[in-house]
Amino acid sequence: AQSVTQLGSHVSVSEGALVLLRCNYSSSVPPYLFWYVQYPNQGLQLLLKYTSAATLVKGINDFEAEFKKSETSFHLTKPSAHMSDAAEYFCAVSDRTGGGNKLTFGTGTQLKVEL
Amino acid sequence: EPEVTQTPSHQVTQMGQEVILRCVPISNHLYFYWYRQILGQKVEFLVSFYNNEISEKSEIFDDQFSVERPDGSNFTLKIRSTKLEDSAMYFCASSEGTGVYGYTFGSGTRLTVV
Repeated sequence: AQSVTQLGSHVSVSEGALVLLRCNYSSSVPPYLFWYVQYPNQGLQLLLKYTSAATLVKGINDFEAEFKKSETSFHLTKPSAHMSDAAEYFCAVSDRTGGGNKLTFGTGTQLKVEL
Repeated sequence: EPEVTQTPSHQVTQMGQEVILRCVPISNHLYFYWYRQILGQKVEFLVSFYNNEISEKSEIFDDQFSVERPDGSNFTLKIRSTKLEDSAMYFCASSEGTGVYGYTFGSGTRLTVV
């Protein structure tokens, strides 16, 4: 079964600093990979997705993620944090084989942005 | 931008009562899902629905749960006899296809069982 590990349940950065949120997956076949963001009292919004077209994926709000097969990672980055980026971020995978489309989520990383 | 709409946003129910959570998926989407998130925990898959039948369900989705697409636009999740541990945020989602498409999620229904 697919699994996703997000290192660091809480990450705190200063405004303007680099954001790095870590995600590792476990699968012998690279899955489809997604990052979702959840603002307080809201639903899950898709930030970006990896579908094998390119290893560096750009998403909304200047977020990007790089797929590294050798490290089974899909870390999320943003060059300069804004206060409005404070939210919970979820990495998720979808099995590429068998036509299944269930999403398996990581436990989430709460991003705090400080002045 | 098209949205997935969920109603109500918050529902409080007594233990043992039946609840129906409602969702209107994006109109041209073919796949529909329910997920839940217990407070402080990760988002968990409940069920996927395609072509008017369940395509996959998790072990959480036992006989107390059912889904229905009664009229071609709504997609409902029914919990027959609620338990305290059913308290959670329930998210509906829809997608055009499988795998590569990703989902569009609704804003959720917070279910509180008392």
